[in-house]
Amino acid sequence: DAGVTQSPTHLIKTRGQHVTLRCSPISGHKSVSWYQQVLGQGPQFIFQYYEKEERGRGNFPDRFSARQFPNYSSELNVNALLLGDSALYLCASSFGLSEQFFGPGTRLTVL
Amino acid sequence: ELKVEQNPLFLSMQEGKNYTIYCNYSTTSDRLYWYRQDPGKSLESLFVLLSNGAVKQEGRLMASLDTKARLSTLHITAAVHDLSATYFCAVNQPNFGNEKLTFGTGTRLTIIP
Repeated sequence: DAGVTQSPTHLIKTRGQHVTLRCSPISGHKSVSWYQQVLGQGPQFIFQYYEKEERGRGNFPDRFSARQFPNYSSELNVNALLLGDSALYLCASSFGLSEQFFGPGTRLTVL
Repeated sequence: ELKVEQNPLFLSMQEGKNYTIYCNYSTTSDRLYWYRQDPGKSLESLFVLLSNGAVKQEGRLMASLDTKARLSTLHITAAVHDLSATYFCAVNQPNFGNEKLTFGTGTRLTIIP
């Protein structure tokens, strides 16, 4: 079975631009979570969606938004990019609200 | 606010030696995870610990959980080079209505031949 997939793998943007990251969960999983991992640190929780509803939000500014589609895939959007947004963005899926399985991540570089 | 601390942050050890990584967390939780991360890669799930006294072993790694002390350990036995990676513990916040994981700072393990 395919695991969690994310696209793109790598992305380079400049300050002030907008970015959209995409995630497809494991088949049958209805929950998707997003994490930001800055180099040298542990992942930080951004959002969780379950059955297309936001179930949790971490301590991130309103420039970060997300949504979940009827097929349970998800997008993470970041507006007005800052240098500090450079990070590995991880998507995780789970069946219900249980153990999460992580995707390969999207490496975002903001110049 | 839930805080998760790991120590040591960096660990360099020789092949064949034993060592332990510690994970302390600040509030009650009902699940603790250990993950491995290789450079530039995603997180690989190692263990899920659900109850006090839980112990799980896979190969040279063994994880345990003491919920009363809010402490988990990851013990490495007879280390081999392939175990070089960064190890994270992560704790779930109970009654949060979701699966929000709070991660520790990570322990970067280097095994020296």
